[in-house]
Amino acid sequence: DVLMTQTPVSLPVSLGGQVSISCRSSQSLVHSDGNTYLHWYLQKPGQSPQLLIYRVSNRFSGVPDRFSGSGSGTDFTLKISRVEPEDLGVYYCLQSTHFPPLTFGSGTKLEIK
Amino acid sequence: QVQLKESGPGLVQPSQTLSLTCTVSGLSLTSNSVSWIRQPPGKGLEWMGVIWSNGGTDYNSAIKSRLSISRDTSKSQVFLKMNSLQTEDTAMYFCARTPYWGQGVMVTVSS
Repeated sequence: DVLMTQTPVSLPVSLGGQVSISCRSSQSLVHSDGNTYLHWYLQKPGQSPQLLIYRVSNRFSGVPDRFSGSGSGTDFTLKISRVEPEDLGVYYCLQSTHFPPLTFGSGTKLEIK
Repeated sequence: QVQLKESGPGLVQPSQTLSLTCTVSGLSLTSNSVSWIRQPPGKGLEWMGVIWSNGGTDYNSAIKSRLSISRDTSKSQVFLKMNSLQTEDTAMYFCARTPYWGQGVMVTVSS
């Protein structure tokens, strides 16, 4: 199974600031169809996870452009600029290239500094 | 509008069987796969298994021997059954069809 290593575990940030979250996979996430199925989710307290970014860099419907994803192969990054209070929660990366199984990163908690 | 909603008992005794239902609206189970994912309190997300659009299933190897996923397409429902529950199975259980997730159901394993 693909192991997803996500860092940091906790990420203090000032409102209006910028942060980056790293996600690394134990093997390439390039699918045989040429796509890379690496996605980013945000789980706000008491809620189910919500999709932010799909296939590395595509913002899901309604996601502000403060969120951006990048990367390739085994190394991926989520950047959040101009952090707002509504951005706080736990961020997860998820790979579905080698599905089954789906494998998640261990999560990064974004909190106010 | 796609919706998934989990239902089931909030409390299960150790060694007993957990049965959960995911009721789906806004999409067809014969065209979409549905996964079960769980999250222990304060911890991360664990994929449990999937039922494919053709009715086939795949399971997390760590719990495969205890898990069964099935469906009733006429009722648009997906079922999870897991036996031999232990306290470490205490978790929020979600059904999901990316990008759509249910709100989850909290299951506590305790006597």
